Amino acid sequence: DAGVIQSPRHEVTEMGQEVTLRCKPISGHDYLFWYRQTMMRGLELLIYFNNNVPIDDSGMPEDRFSAKMPNASFSTLKIQPSEPRDSAVYFCASSLGPGRGYTFGSGTRLTVV
Amino acid sequence: AQSVTQLDSQVPVFEEAPVELRCNYSSSVSVYLFWYVQYPNQGLQLLLKYLSGSTLVESINGFEAEFNKSQTSFHLRKPSVHISDTAEYFCAVSGISGSARQLTFGSGTQLTVLP
Repeated sequence: DAGVIQSPRHEVTEMGQEVTLRCKPISGHDYLFWYRQTMMRGLELLIYFNNNVPIDDSGMPEDRFSAKMPNASFSTLKIQPSEPRDSAVYFCASSLGPGRGYTFGSGTRLTVV
Repeated sequence: AQSVTQLDSQVPVFEEAPVELRCNYSSSVSVYLFWYVQYPNQGLQLLLKYLSGSTLVESINGFEAEFNKSQTSFHLRKPSVHISDTAEYFCAVSGISGSARQLTFGSGTQLTVLP
């Protein structure tokens, strides 16, 4: 099992550009989560999906952020346009359900200059 | 809604000494409790979890945590730490049903083991 796979590992982009982060969850996991980690705010849940359907997106900071899960093996988090304050590590995690714990990917370190 | 408070942001300790990382939670529903560990430049890894049954749970690398319902705590302990235990540790809580099922994380405790 390759675990949760995120790409790219690092992304440096200029302010105003579109950024797309990608995640492949563990096969068979019904839940997928996107988190953002910063020194100031710690770990923040942005959005989560159950069976490819977005369940709670209340953590998405603003309309510049969007997430999709077109099938059970792929999800994207898009930021358009990007801003320097979006600089953070973005984690994807997947899970079999409540009580089963989450498996995290290695994260994408985003730097917006 | 749930919340988690990790009382210490940084804990320095000498190698082979015991350590306790404190975690308190609040929730209006029954909960599952977790500890995750994050090594530098890596994602979070599940260390141990409490779902039900025995209130004392153990990990494979010598950590243990005890669920105390009356004190709403889930402190993490290890009797003798190693240099390799240096990492950030996150306590997390989720409700067992309904809309509260997603994990809520604490702010993390940086454990630094000194030689």
